[in-house]
Amino acid sequence: EVQLVESGGGLVQPGRSLRLSCTASGFTFGDYAMSWVRQAPGKGLEWVGFIRSKAYGGTTEYAASVKGRFTISRDDSKSIAYLQMNSLKTEDTAVYYCTRGLYDSSGYYNYWGQGTLVTVSS
Amino acid sequence: DIQMTQSPSSVSASVGDRVTITCRASQGISSWLAWYQQKPGKAPKLLIYAASSLQSGVPSRFSGSGSGTDFTLTISSLQPEDFATYYCQQANSFPRTFGGGTKVEIK
Repeated sequence: EVQLVESGGGLVQPGRSLRLSCTASGFTFGDYAMSWVRQAPGKGLEWVGFIRSKAYGGTTEYAASVKGRFTISRDDSKSIAYLQMNSLKTEDTAVYYCTRGLYDSSGYYNYWGQGTLVTVSS
Repeated sequence: DIQMTQSPSSVSASVGDRVTITCRASQGISSWLAWYQQKPGKAPKLLIYAASSLQSGVPSRFSGSGSGTDFTLTISSLQPEDFATYYCQQANSFPRTFGGGTKVEIK
């Protein structure tokens, strides 16, 4: 059974950093791209970014709202994807979901974690 | 970036009703479109991908259609468990973008 478990969320002050982890199981992690999607309280879904599998270069893509501040990485040996968030703003407050697509690099997300809440506030 | 516009933003319907939600892309995306269902406090669930392909395990009362810029999600006979918020999402290019959501409420 595919499982994605996010961790690392919490309360952080504006301007500070936080790193989220997504621990995967039930599939060959290295064979899939991984993505992050967030949802501000009471709002819709916002795509955050994506990291390709090593087969496709392991490169990344980001939303304009986080580009230059957030970095996605992966450790295939541990089956973990990371979201490093720097220079956090109050508008980054959201539940952050880790997702996997139907197939490698697919933009159709059929597996989601339970989400982890990040609150940016002084 | 491709903008995704859903309508309506909310709809009130009764069990058994046929419900249609539309999604318009700001530029052509061929059939690179997904639909998700989200219930309060839960992660979204993939319903439809490639505009009209039903994800495994999703009831056949859900269907999707369209290509290019205009897409539709139809629930043929609304069931109590279908009351939720629905989102479209384009998978044609980066950044991926979602529609604003359509809340299906009980009439």
